[in-house]
Amino acid sequence: DAGITQSPRHKVTETGTPVTLRCHQTENHRYMYWYRQDPGHGLRLIHYSYGVKDTDKGEVSDGYSVSRSKTEDFLLTLESATSSQTSVYFCAISDGGMNTEAFFGQGTRLTVV
Amino acid sequence: AQSVTQLDSQVPVFEEAPVELRCNYSSSVSVYLFWYVQYPNQGLQLLLKYLSGSTLVESINGFEAEFNKSQTSFHLRKPSVHISDTAEYFCAVEGGATNKLIFGTGTLLAVQP
Repeated sequence: DAGITQSPRHKVTETGTPVTLRCHQTENHRYMYWYRQDPGHGLRLIHYSYGVKDTDKGEVSDGYSVSRSKTEDFLLTLESATSSQTSVYFCAISDGGMNTEAFFGQGTRLTVV
Repeated sequence: AQSVTQLDSQVPVFEEAPVELRCNYSSSVSVYLFWYVQYPNQGLQLLLKYLSGSTLVESINGFEAEFNKSQTSFHLRKPSVHISDTAEYFCAVEGGATNKLIFGTGTLLAVQP
């Protein structure tokens, strides 16, 4: 299995509080992604990174920010959590090029009450 | 921009019957196509991929998919399903330099004895 660790795996937080989810990889892959999974919507891309300090928005980036100060870590922050951000969050990595398989973490289940 | 359509949200099928999960995509550039599988409470795993070459690709557990450029489709098939194939299946498309994977909404394959 690809070395991807998401933390925490489960979290319950209150509306209006900041939340940070962490994705850590040991594969030295260049690309890292944050997705959210919701019933009926599949996986939707929030933000992605194509290198240290290089990030860009995905299709559902409002209310989220990211940072990547090291190759191995990609942080997703909800500045002020809302109930609509209750979801399962997945981190993924890929090394790009022709071998474009993405490897996924186990997910973080976030509940905003 | 790329997009993926999976019209069937759920496909019930009896064990040992054949199954087809449909996937259509749209893109203005050449794409790579993927099928990922998600077992309950797990992350996603790559099932098979089309990058180039032969339009028929196979997985190690008996699934196959055929890339049809004229119909912009990448349907997944298996001639005889098992109970253990019960999972959610996601079609995904990747195109361009950023290796962004865009997912469909998923199809739940429910295999019944």
